[in-house]
Order: sequence, then C-alpha cells, then structure tokens
Amino acid sequence: DAMVIQNPRYQVTQFGKPVTLSCSQTLNHNVMYWYQQKSSQAPKLLFHYYDKDFNNEADTPDNFQSRRPNTSFCFLDIRSPGLGDAAMYLCATSRAGSGANVLTFGAGSRLTVL
Amino acid sequence: AQTVTQSQPEMSVQEAETVTLSCTYDTSESDYYLFWYKQPPSRQMILVIRQEAYKQQNATENRFSVNFQKAAKSFSLKISDSQLGDAAMYFCAYRSATGGATNKLIFGTGTLLAVQP
Repeated sequence: DAMVIQNPRYQVTQFGKPVTLSCSQTLNHNVMYWYQQKSSQAPKLLFHYYDKDFNNEADTPDNFQSRRPNTSFCFLDIRSPGLGDAAMYLCATSRAGSGANVLTFGAGSRLTVL
Repeated sequence: AQTVTQSQPEMSVQEAETVTLSCTYDTSESDYYLFWYKQPPSRQMILVIRQEAYKQQNATENRFSVNFQKAAKSFSLKISDSQLGDAAMYFCAYRSATGGATNKLIFGTGTLLAVQP
C-alpha cells in the first residue's frame, strides 16, 4: 500500500545531541511537510518542500533544518535539541494544486530529550 | 491570520450514541476548505471529512457529518452510532483556497474523544 513511513517511531536523545528523523513516501507526492505536535497543542508547521524548493515558516527556529535528497525521502535535523523540542514530529505529503487536496500523514516520531 | 478553535479538550460518548465535536474558526477570506482529521493513539492522522466553503450542502461520510455554518464560522462534526474504534484525538483544520500550490493546514488544538462500551 502506498504510504508515508516515519523512522524512528521513538527517539531519545540527550540535551544538545543532534538528531535526525526520516520520512519516506511511496505516493509520489511532490509536497512534503514537517509538523511539530506538542502535548495538548495544535500541530505546528515547521517547513515544507514543494519538489526541491524549501519553504521555511517564519517562526521556525534555526535549530531545525531539513533535507530532501529525492522525491521519496525527507529528513528533519535538529542540530542541538533542547528540552522544549520534545514533541511528536509528523511528516505529511500531498499532491500540489488547488482544491481540497488531502494531506497523508505518517504515524509520527516521538522525540524525548533528556 | 486565520485561527481555529476547538473549545472541548475532551469528550465522552456511549457506544452507539451520537456525539458532536465543536470547531470555530476566524478568517477574512470567503473561499477556503475545512477538514476534520482523526488521530488514533500511536497511529497516523487520517482524514475524516472535508468541506468546501463555497458549498452550502453539509458534507457527509457514512456515520460522520458536519454542520457548516459559514456566517457563524462554525464547523462541527457529528458522529452517529459511535463505535469503540472512533476513540481518538480529533483535529479541526483550515486551509485557504488562495494558499498557492501547497496545502498549508492550520489546526485546532484537538478534542480527545473517549467511547464508553
């Protein structure tokens, strides 16, 4: 089945130790998104790729970076995780275009910072 | 800027009963899309139902239906004949129709629905 796969599902890191979360998709969607979801808060868009074009949200900290080496993969790099970065990170994909195109989400990667 | 508000952090419903989840939003736009997404525990978020703002008719998907009140900027979700599998976090989301080629969703804070057997 076509889907969005996130790895790892659970990641524990130490304060300041870099971490990379990955997302892969078999849907051939040209847009990929990274959302941060903290407990009891709305998912917050960090950035998205439209094909190879990177679009950063204005309030996304510099500590968060992303790479998209090809259509199928997208990575979220947190250069120096702080305690406040503990959250669920959601990857989503969509086919670009107007209309109510639906986002397809992965199951998320839960990050714990010690 | 657009905002989405879900005023019910938690709701509970008995199996086979009906429950309504509330959502209000704020926008100055006239053309947009509204969505309800379901996020089961430890599982991926999936689309439940969507509504185009230009359509007056309320969307329906099997046991799920919405009450879209454009003037009141209200978009509630009704779940009929609730099942144990409906237990999840439900997010209301907004997308501008003029958002360009990508779909940037604005989410509410979610409503955690419990279904009692």
